[in-house]
Amino acid sequence: NAGVTQTPKFQVLKTGQSMTLQCAQDMNHNSMYWYRQDPGMGLRLIYYSASEGTTDKGEVPNGYNVSRLNKREFSLRLESAAPSQTSVYFCASIFRGWNTEAFFGQGTRLTVV
Amino acid sequence: TQLLEQSPQFLSIQEGENLTVYCNSSSVFSSLQWYRQEPGEGPVLLVTVVTGGEVKKLKRLTFQFGDARKDSSLHITAAQPGDTGLYLCAGPNSSGNTGKLIFGQGTTLQVKP
Repeated sequence: NAGVTQTPKFQVLKTGQSMTLQCAQDMNHNSMYWYRQDPGMGLRLIYYSASEGTTDKGEVPNGYNVSRLNKREFSLRLESAAPSQTSVYFCASIFRGWNTEAFFGQGTRLTVV
Repeated sequence: TQLLEQSPQFLSIQEGENLTVYCNSSSVFSSLQWYRQEPGEGPVLLVTVVTGGEVKKLKRLTFQFGDARKDSSLHITAAQPGDTGLYLCAGPNSSGNTGKLIFGQGTTLQVKP
């Protein structure tokens, strides 16, 4: 069972460069989220997709865009990377049954220099 | 705005000691969850508590949901080095039906042999 797969695991970008973080889940969940994790700040929601074809902003959406390509895939794009976007990024697939449970990928450690 | 505050933020103890981590809010949550995150990995769900006053046990870990469903605690008995990691509490956002999860800032636990 792959669960949630994120690529790449590590990336170094120069200021102003662009890149796309890929995420795919094989659990047939409708909802998928992107978080960033910074020391002392926990997980902050960047964007989420409650279902295929919909996306919405979270707490910290500035500088990011997303695409829900299909039910399995949810990508995060940085159009012009900035040092403030240095962080660890996590994709999560959300099970919404009698309660809400998150299944996370292994993360992408991004450094912008 | 619903917030979850965890305490302490950092905890360093010797193997065999007991510890308690707290997750508090001024808001009522329909459920609360605890995740553990090991270095280089994404968070993994440990438990979900749903009923006020509920106590759940997972080997040496005991989770409790407050009677008013505004707080939760995680107690570890006889901590082991394998318990080292970041512990996060989370609860579903009550506004709308988005399935969004709110996370606390996390408690970093280090258990020294």
